[in-house]
Amino acid sequence: DTGVSQNPRHKITKRGQNVTFRCDPISEHNRLYWYRQTLGQGPEFLTYFQNEAQLEKSRLLSDRFSAERPKGSFSTLEIQRTEQGDSAMYLCASSLVGAGWREQFFGPGTRLTVL
Amino acid sequence: DQQVKQNSPSLSVQEGRISILNCDYTNSMFDYFLWYKKYPAEGPTFLISISSIKDKNEDGRFTVFLNKSAKHLSLHIVPSQPGDSAVYFCATSDAGKSTFGDGTTLTVKP
Repeated sequence: DTGVSQNPRHKITKRGQNVTFRCDPISEHNRLYWYRQTLGQGPEFLTYFQNEAQLEKSRLLSDRFSAERPKGSFSTLEIQRTEQGDSAMYLCASSLVGAGWREQFFGPGTRLTVL
Repeated sequence: DQQVKQNSPSLSVQEGRISILNCDYTNSMFDYFLWYKKYPAEGPTFLISISSIKDKNEDGRFTVFLNKSAKHLSLHIVPSQPGDSAVYFCATSDAGKSTFGDGTTLTVKP
């Protein structure tokens, strides 16, 4: 397995546009997480799924943000009507419930720049 | 209020010496702690963890110490190598999500 992958790696968009990011977790992992990281800070939790069920959402996830994991495999994170404050690195991670499940495997991230 | 704090943004040590990275947390209910390492242009990579039922966990050159009464943990790297230069994040794991500190940038000089 090649690990967690994220696409695109970079996205530049104009304020007000919609963007969608994709995450492909490690194939046997049933948990998938989204985090946001800004410069000088650690990753901030946004939401996570177990299989296709979205189990928790942070209050950081405003109504403009939506995440899906339709078949319990890959996930998408959509941001509608982007704002300059949305500029950040969006990280996806996955884990397997069971022994060692608390250790998350991260993808390389998608860097979003909103002009 | 930040629940996980890494008060030192940066640390510089000489190759071969010990690196000590510190982390404080506020919630005594946290029961599992992790350290991640991050290189530029990559996502964080899991390094070592510790359960609250232990006070020490060792893996090769890396040892994590947990002081529950002080709500403090530390990561010791001995001996430090130039390849250890990276950003180190302390994190807790609570049910599903993890809460991260803001990281400490470690520079190991040859």
